[in-house]
Amino acid sequence: AQTVTQSQPEMSVQEAETVTLSCTYDTSESDYYLFWYKQPPSRQMILVIRQEAYKQQNATENRFSVNFQKAAKSFSLKISDSQLGDAAMYFCAYRSTAGGTSYGKLTFGQGTILTVHP
Amino acid sequence: GAGVSQTPSNKVTEKGKYVELRCDPISGHTALYWYRQSLGQGPEFLIYFQGTGAADDSGLPNDRFFAVRPEGSVSTLKIQRTERGDSAVYLCASSYTLDSYEQYFGPGTRLTVT
Repeated sequence: AQTVTQSQPEMSVQEAETVTLSCTYDTSESDYYLFWYKQPPSRQMILVIRQEAYKQQNATENRFSVNFQKAAKSFSLKISDSQLGDAAMYFCAYRSTAGGTSYGKLTFGQGTILTVHP
Repeated sequence: GAGVSQTPSNKVTEKGKYVELRCDPISGHTALYWYRQSLGQGPEFLIYFQGTGAADDSGLPNDRFFAVRPEGSVSTLKIQRTERGDSAVYLCASSYTLDSYEQYFGPGTRLTVT
């Protein structure tokens, strides 16, 4: 079974600065998806960024980018030019691309609470 | 159109009671997922549907939990003989197909068992 670990329960950053959230995972599969989701106090999970394991290039979405290290099974999220609206709980998640009954489900880490200071 | 909706937003029930939680997925989405999120934790998978059938229910914690999706759209998560340990936020998500990478989440139902 796959596991996802986020070792930083809380992080903080000054507005306009850069912060990196860490995530490691364990899997025996060679192809999979990795995601970062944002969950504000409204509880609605929002997809921030995704990475396909077969792609060597790190994904980027505006101020959000990832550092995907497949051999190390590491998947960190970098937020540049942090904004007050970035404050939320962030979850790293794994999804298998292999067939079978576990195909569709997401496996989440424990989350990191991000505080942005003005 | 509208996103995933879940009703009720909050539910308080007494230990031992039966509850139903409803999920309305995005129109046209064939895959539907249920997750449970305990306080301060990440969501944990419960069950997912492809169309009307439960493709994987391996995350349901015990036989008190059951979910249906009779017409391939709306889904109901049913919990019998509720226990205090069932208190959590229950999240529903949908995707266009099972192959779609993005799951769209609803705002969740916060269940409190007293």
